[in-house]
Amino acid sequence: QKEVEQNSGPLSVPEGAIASLNCTYSDRVSQSFFWYRQYSGKSPELIMSIYSNGDKEDGRFTAQLNKASQYVSLLIRDSQPSDSATYLCAVRRKANTGKLIFGQGTTLQVKP
Amino acid sequence: EPEVTQTPSHQVTQMGQEVILRCVPISNHLYFYWYRQILGQKVEFLVSFYNNEISEKSEIFDDQFSVERPDGSNFTLKIRSTKLEDSAMYFCASSFTAGGSSGAYNEQFFGPGTRLTVL
Repeated sequence: QKEVEQNSGPLSVPEGAIASLNCTYSDRVSQSFFWYRQYSGKSPELIMSIYSNGDKEDGRFTAQLNKASQYVSLLIRDSQPSDSATYLCAVRRKANTGKLIFGQGTTLQVKP
Repeated sequence: EPEVTQTPSHQVTQMGQEVILRCVPISNHLYFYWYRQILGQKVEFLVSFYNNEISEKSEIFDDQFSVERPDGSNFTLKIRSTKLEDSAMYFCASSFTAGGSSGAYNEQFFGPGTRLTVL
């Protein structure tokens, strides 16, 4: 079982729609969860972090965490063509270690 | 806005040669990391560094790899004898803390990367 699992996509949505990106993780003691955006040939760019169950909103982005189901998601409202990128889910398992474990990433395509 | 910087952006080397990749983390950050991403694959953790010591390393980070903070600003990754399979993007990242509490202090910010090509 992969430690952090994402559907590689591509996920295709029309401009203005809601894009929903999902991630599951295997280690129940995982503590911190991050979403990064990566454009082709570029480095990961932090979008959101979430640490406790529930929703966290930042502008058009909402991160959702369900520790019981070991599931974290990212919603992008009013999707724009500039949101087209690969979205990486990253998990930190233990306190006091910075090691992030990344998923393979989901490629999002927003069509005008 | 503060950012992580990396040099060079692209490094080409011959197999068996030594390379040093350089990073300048965000100035008030205390934890530093190296990750790599082989083309088409996921981002992989190599090593974390705090208080002039390695705090954690992965199985990838074997004896041919070393890290150093030679002065108050730079953080380097040295690969002693490069192999073809070391060809990848190498990302440096930094954070203020590494866990134990929630919040923005734990967030890791990545530099633009160094593309290493081993021929």
